[in-house]
Amino acid sequence: DVQMTQSPSSVSASVGDRVTITCRASRGLNRQLGWYQQKPGKAPKLLISAASTLQTGVPSRFSGSGSGTDFTLTISSLQPEDIGTYYCQQGISFPLTFGPGTKVEIK
Amino acid sequence: DVQLVESGGGLVQPGGSLRLSCVVSGFTFSDYWVFWVRQAPGQGLVWVSRLNGDGTSVNYADSVRDRFTVSRDNAKNTVFLQMNSLRVEDTAVYYCTSSLRSYYFDYWGQGIQVTVSS
Repeated sequence: DVQMTQSPSSVSASVGDRVTITCRASRGLNRQLGWYQQKPGKAPKLLISAASTLQTGVPSRFSGSGSGTDFTLTISSLQPEDIGTYYCQQGISFPLTFGPGTKVEIK
Repeated sequence: DVQLVESGGGLVQPGGSLRLSCVVSGFTFSDYWVFWVRQAPGQGLVWVSRLNGDGTSVNYADSVRDRFTVSRDNAKNTVFLQMNSLRVEDTAVYYCTSSLRSYYFDYWGQGIQVTVSS
């Protein structure tokens, strides 16, 4: 199974700050990596697929990068509505696996 | 608008069974793969199963294989998750999700609570 790790586990930042979340896979993913945002009590939402493809309707302040085993989700200017937990997910092999999540809060 | 609506959750004793349903609207259902993803209280997301568009190809997580069965009725735009021999550790919110033949979860239902407890 492909193991996914994320860092940090939580981040507290001010409105307007740049926030970076890192995801690492136990083996190469050929860019088959997605990012999800989950707000409290809600279903997750796909933000980015294939490491860097922004989904329709997702604000351009979100971006993804990386390849192989190391990936990054960046929020260029944190907004109050961005609070929630962010998960990465590998899409290269079954079982599909998620990272443990990064909780983003406003300072 | 795309909608996925789960039903059938509830409280069941260990060893019992439940059948979840997910009714889909807003896209050509038979073109889409369907997945179940679960989330235990206060925990992260865990993939459970995947079923292709015509129901001929299925994958399961090891933790549910031989206990859970996923199926679909394309005429009724519905996917089912039959859960047998339920364990306390199966307690979670279960999400029905779908994608256009990719391994990402594009559309999500609102989630349905399954509680396994004596």
